[in-house]
Amino acid sequence: GESVGLHLPTLSVQEGDNSIINCAYSNSASDYFIWYKQESGKGPQFIIDIRSNMDKRQGQRVTVLLNKTVKHLSLQIAATQPGDSAVYFCAENSGGYQKVTFGIGTKLQVIP
Amino acid sequence: KAGVTQTPRYLIKTRGQQVTLSCSPISGHRSVSWYQQTPGQGLQFLFEYFSETQRNKGNFPGRFSGRQFSNSRSEMNVSTLELGDSALYLCASSPAATGPSSYNEQFFGPGTRLTVL
Repeated sequence: GESVGLHLPTLSVQEGDNSIINCAYSNSASDYFIWYKQESGKGPQFIIDIRSNMDKRQGQRVTVLLNKTVKHLSLQIAATQPGDSAVYFCAENSGGYQKVTFGIGTKLQVIP
Repeated sequence: KAGVTQTPRYLIKTRGQQVTLSCSPISGHRSVSWYQQTPGQGLQFLFEYFSETQRNKGNFPGRFSGRQFSNSRSEMNVSTLELGDSALYLCASSPAATGPSSYNEQFFGPGTRLTVL
């Protein structure tokens, strides 16, 4: 029979525009947050991370914002390119060594 | 430096069989974690091995097991396969992290696509 899958939210962005991908996390004890990018047929690829004692961190074309008050994480991608098309996952670590809990993901579609 | 490698990349099995998947971490990495990715449940943590010891385990039945060898290579085994075990199995390696609160960046392999018929 047909399997029921998670409904991935999809964000469509024009090439060159900025993208904002949002994520709500559940564990207030999490102290480390990570964004991953997964392209079709590949494993997740690390983009950027942030510790719970920070509220903003910038990388190359990417910025992660953390709002612990409302347990919200966002990833901003500047000047989005076709190569940014992928599924983006937020993930959290709350101790437990390397165990990471992933969100459901957001599919980013870049329109040329 | 070579990335994380997983073998085989694709596998087809029938219900009731058992399967073994292999993961070779990045050279020097001592921690290996396994994740299951399905359309219905997303990415879920299976277990983590460090220095040949399992030090964390996700919420999966005992049919799922793993081990790590002295060279840090890891295998996971699924016995008595069920249709619902069809998934992409991902392995991730990371440098040594000794404490439970000492998270290190994980590097994922391409995964093994398991289909159970």
